[in-house]
Amino acid sequence: ILNVEQSPQSLHVQEGDSTNFTCSFPSSNFYALHWYRWETAKSPEALFVMTLNGDEKKKGRISATLNTKEGYSYLYIKGSQPEDSATYLCAFFPGTYKYIFGTGTRLKVLA
Amino acid sequence: ETGVTQTPRHLVMGMTNKKSLKCEQHLGHNAMYWYKQSAKKPLELMFVYSLEERVENNSVPSRFSPECPNSSHLFLHLHTLQPEDSALYLCASSRAVPTAGTGDEKLFFGSGTQLSVL
Repeated sequence: ILNVEQSPQSLHVQEGDSTNFTCSFPSSNFYALHWYRWETAKSPEALFVMTLNGDEKKKGRISATLNTKEGYSYLYIKGSQPEDSATYLCAFFPGTYKYIFGTGTRLKVLA
Repeated sequence: ETGVTQTPRHLVMGMTNKKSLKCEQHLGHNAMYWYKQSAKKPLELMFVYSLEERVENNSVPSRFSPECPNSSHLFLHLHTLQPEDSALYLCASSRAVPTAGTGDEKLFFGSGTQLSVL
């Protein structure tokens, strides 16, 4: 059974703080790793799709790194803002049409 | 607005009822999915359709019956559900079903239907 773990489960930070979370996935049969952002009462939206070991992606204040050999990805948020409050999901793709999701990290940014 | 619309947003049904969830995508995608989100559990894939053909039934009980009449519409027909089926049901689409060569196919999600079975 393929397992994707995300940590921490939840996180409260002050506005302006930088933060990061982890997604751990099997290091074998790696094809892609997705990050999604899910705001309450809205749809999950794709942030990044990462396919190569050592990939780094950036979108504004949010960035992600990927280490396929050891099976982890980090998501970083620089200078957190209240609008960054959301659940961040990662999804591992092992090459067979099915994405394996983690349970997410719930981020709350306090003004 | 992700281009994927789900109705209804909320549904309460008794165990003997029959109801349907509807999903529509306006993105020209060829693949559509049903996912289930239960409390404190990861998103769980239920069904995948590629160009109206079911690719996968992920060991889902027969009380859930999907229908994909065309590549833009997806339904989930519900009958004789159990209280443990209460969950958020999310529809998603992508350009194509991902394969070993196309794992970068992003999913586009609807807002979900929050289902309560009494």
